[in-house]
Amino acid sequence: DGGITQSPKYLFRKEGQNVTLSCEQNLNHDAMYWYRQDPGQGLRLIYYSQIVNDFQKGDIAEGYSVSREKKESFPLTVTSAQKNPTAFYLCASSQLTGTSGELFFGEGSRLTVL
Amino acid sequence: AQSVTQPDIHITVSEGASLELRCNYSYGATPYLFWYVQSPGQGLQLLLKYFSGDTLVQGIKGFEAEFKRSQSSFNLRKPSVHWSDAAEYFCAGGSPTNFGNEKLTFGTGTRLTIIP
Repeated sequence: DGGITQSPKYLFRKEGQNVTLSCEQNLNHDAMYWYRQDPGQGLRLIYYSQIVNDFQKGDIAEGYSVSREKKESFPLTVTSAQKNPTAFYLCASSQLTGTSGELFFGEGSRLTVL
Repeated sequence: AQSVTQPDIHITVSEGASLELRCNYSYGATPYLFWYVQSPGQGLQLLLKYFSGDTLVQGIKGFEAEFKRSQSSFNLRKPSVHWSDAAEYFCAGGSPTNFGNEKLTFGTGTRLTIIP
């Protein structure tokens, strides 16, 4: 089945460590996105990419980094510079042409900083 | 500024009762509008979407939503809820004058609890 796979589902990190969250899609979508979700705040966009080897900052990019070396992969690194990294992270993808703009989401990764 | 507002943080409904979740938007032009549902610890699933045309939109799982330009609203409805409808619901909007999914704005969500 086509979809988006995020891993790991749960991740624990010590302060000062970088961690990388994986996101893979087999939908052949052009665009991929990372969102952060905190209780009562909805979804906030961290980074997005519309084409391989290119990505753009979203609303809360500070303390995060991404890469897009392959169309199907868009990993997110939460760096030690992120002040409050404990959150639920969602990856999404969409097709950019000939569609109504629907986002397809992965099942999320929950990061906890100890 | 473009925004999507969900006024209700939490709603409790009896099983079998009707449901209406509110969503208001603020856009210069008629936006693209979406409703998503999220079960605990899961990703978001699209329930329905509105782009143009018929203002009453049918979605999956028996949900529908009505676009009302005069009220800047896109409320989600279901005539009879089931216990499995308990989840968090998000309204989202995007501007057709600057369309790109990176421009989608999400509401803060409404948590739906179903009681027997």
